[in-house]
Amino acid sequence: KAGVTQTPRYLIKTRGQQVTLSCSPISGHRSVSWYQQTPGQGLQFLFEYFSETQRNKGNFPGRFSGRQFSNSRSEMNVSTLELGDSALYLCASSLPFSGRADTQYFGPGTRLTVL
Amino acid sequence: GESVGLHLPTLSVQEGDNSIINCAYSNSASDYFIWYKQESGKGPQFIIDIRSNMDKRQGQRVTVLLNKTVKHLSLQIAATQPGDSAVYFCAENPTGNQFYFGTGTSLTVIP
Repeated sequence: KAGVTQTPRYLIKTRGQQVTLSCSPISGHRSVSWYQQTPGQGLQFLFEYFSETQRNKGNFPGRFSGRQFSNSRSEMNVSTLELGDSALYLCASSLPFSGRADTQYFGPGTRLTVL
Repeated sequence: GESVGLHLPTLSVQEGDNSIINCAYSNSASDYFIWYKQESGKGPQFIIDIRSNMDKRQGQRVTVLLNKTVKHLSLQIAATQPGDSAVYFCAENPTGNQFYFGTGTSLTVIP
């Protein structure tokens, strides 16, 4: 079974621009979570999508948004980029949530650099 | 202000020795825990998990121990190999499908 895929793997943007990152979960997985990883803050939860609905949200500003499509693929968008948004953005997928948390499997990440 | 890099705990072990990586979790409501391994330039890789109704779980060369009384988790790696060199994270699940990650421990295996 193919793993979680993320595109693009690397991005360079300038301040003020916006960016869209894509994540394709493992086949059969319906939950997609996004995380930001930086040397200063470690791994931080952004949001989780399940059945095209945002189910959980972390403590990030509204510039960070996401969506999920009917095939479970997910995108996240960051508008008005700031230097501090430079990070590795990780996507994780898991099986349908049936009342208990499921194992999350991570993709390779998208390395975003904001200049 | 200027961000300061996290000071990752580090652990150096000789090849062939056993490694023990510790993690203190914060939420007493957490009932599911996962250990991940992250190599440079890659995403975290699942190693082993444990639910709160257990206090020990074994995998291939790895064992996770859970002490709910003191909110402590440990990962034991037997016969550590150079390929085990990486950063190891514990993740706790207090609610829903949301996970919180520790700061990580950098393991270096000395050949």
